[in-house]
Amino acid sequence: TQLLEQSPQFLSIQEGENLTVYCNSSSVFSSLQWYRQEPGEGPVLLVTVVTGGEVKKLKRLTFQFGDARKDSSLHITAAQPGDTGLYLCAVAGTSYDKVIFGPGTSLSVIP
Amino acid sequence: DSGVTQTPKHLITATGQRVTLRCSPRSGDLSVYWYQQSLDQGLQFLIQYYNGEERAKGNILERFSAQQFPDLHSELNLSSLELGDSALYFCASSVAGLTNEKLFFGSGTQLSVL
Repeated sequence: TQLLEQSPQFLSIQEGENLTVYCNSSSVFSSLQWYRQEPGEGPVLLVTVVTGGEVKKLKRLTFQFGDARKDSSLHITAAQPGDTGLYLCAVAGTSYDKVIFGPGTSLSVIP
Repeated sequence: DSGVTQTPKHLITATGQRVTLRCSPRSGDLSVYWYQQSLDQGLQFLIQYYNGEERAKGNILERFSAQQFPDLHSELNLSSLELGDSALYFCASSVAGLTNEKLFFGSGTQLSVL
């Protein structure tokens, strides 16, 4: 059983379109992180959210942590080819718990 | 460049063999994590060390072992290798090993078991 689910699994869109990807679980988490991974490289942290309902913006990316701290969404406005990659959410139950990654959403932005 | 160094970048070996993967964390980071990434399983947590001590353990096989040395570098040992162990192995580091900290990942070791 997957602790974390991410949807959609794959997403292919045209440059300039908007998109939202989701990270869901039935468990409550102390924190949630979003990473982006490009082929042949390790994941790179985009954002950390710790408070239920928290919204963070990073240029064209908007991250939201669910009120119950069980889910999160990542919205990209006006996607660009440089946004192409595997988007992973990562969670932990407590501050000293192991960090678990979701299966990821593979995004392809076509010029 | 994340500051985390993993060697070797590629490793090709045969079933039944043993290999050692090495990781040097970012300067100043005390915690090291090991992950295994494959197409069907995604990024799976193996084990975490903090300042030489094991802090958290995932679904790491008994054939796998790891340690963190006094100079904070870490090694992941994989023995009695099977075809299914072929994967990308990542090391990551963080300052204090807290879960809301940024993990800095190396570029990985691609292991191919033939």
